[in-house]
Amino acid sequence: GAGVSQTPSNKVTEKGKYVELRCDPISGHTALYWYRQSLGQGPEFLIYFQGTGAADDSGLPNDRFFAVRPEGSVSTLKIQRTERGDSAVYLCASSLNRFGSYEQYFGPGTRLTVT
Amino acid sequence: KNQVEQSPQSLIILEGKNCTLQCNYTVSPFSNLRWYKQDTGRGPVSLTIMTFSENTKSNGRYTATLDADTKQSSLHITASQLSDSASYICVVSGSAGINRKLIWGLGTSLAVNP
Repeated sequence: GAGVSQTPSNKVTEKGKYVELRCDPISGHTALYWYRQSLGQGPEFLIYFQGTGAADDSGLPNDRFFAVRPEGSVSTLKIQRTERGDSAVYLCASSLNRFGSYEQYFGPGTRLTVT
Repeated sequence: KNQVEQSPQSLIILEGKNCTLQCNYTVSPFSNLRWYKQDTGRGPVSLTIMTFSENTKSNGRYTATLDADTKQSSLHITASQLSDSASYICVVSGSAGINRKLIWGLGTSLAVNP
């Protein structure tokens, strides 16, 4: 497909475990964003990649959260020592991020439940 | 504090009817305003993006208006369909092209009933 894909669609894990969430952006999109969305809230910015580098990680809540994008395409959001408060839908978006072409395209999200 | 406020919080209409959703913002400086549609369990999908120089923009049955002076926007849905049932989110950017600085509203939950 031509859209942003995320896997898994649902993830249930126990408190204290480690999880990885994957995002496949639209081919050719240099910018990639991770958001977290809690029920009834708008998406909360976590981290932004331009190419392989994290251009802005100011939204990561603490050092248990980490994200990589080693080849400038697929990105993985990693959460260590998960807590119940980490339960949310994690959204990924990508964009061309050229002047006048910064429209974001969102994936379906990964619903993370920490028990 | 930069804010985006939407009204109503929720809305129920009958199929075929029109409706208008409102968005007021205090984000400054202002670069652009976006309306997204988010179906339950899905990621947001962009409907329109407007810069300060644009007063209205249409996308099929969706028409967005923007008054940058009063910092108000509306999204008008014409001849609603059952598939329009979703959350509609107003998003304002205070910096041109910098998506990580988007200010998100809480959305209006629209239910279209047969």
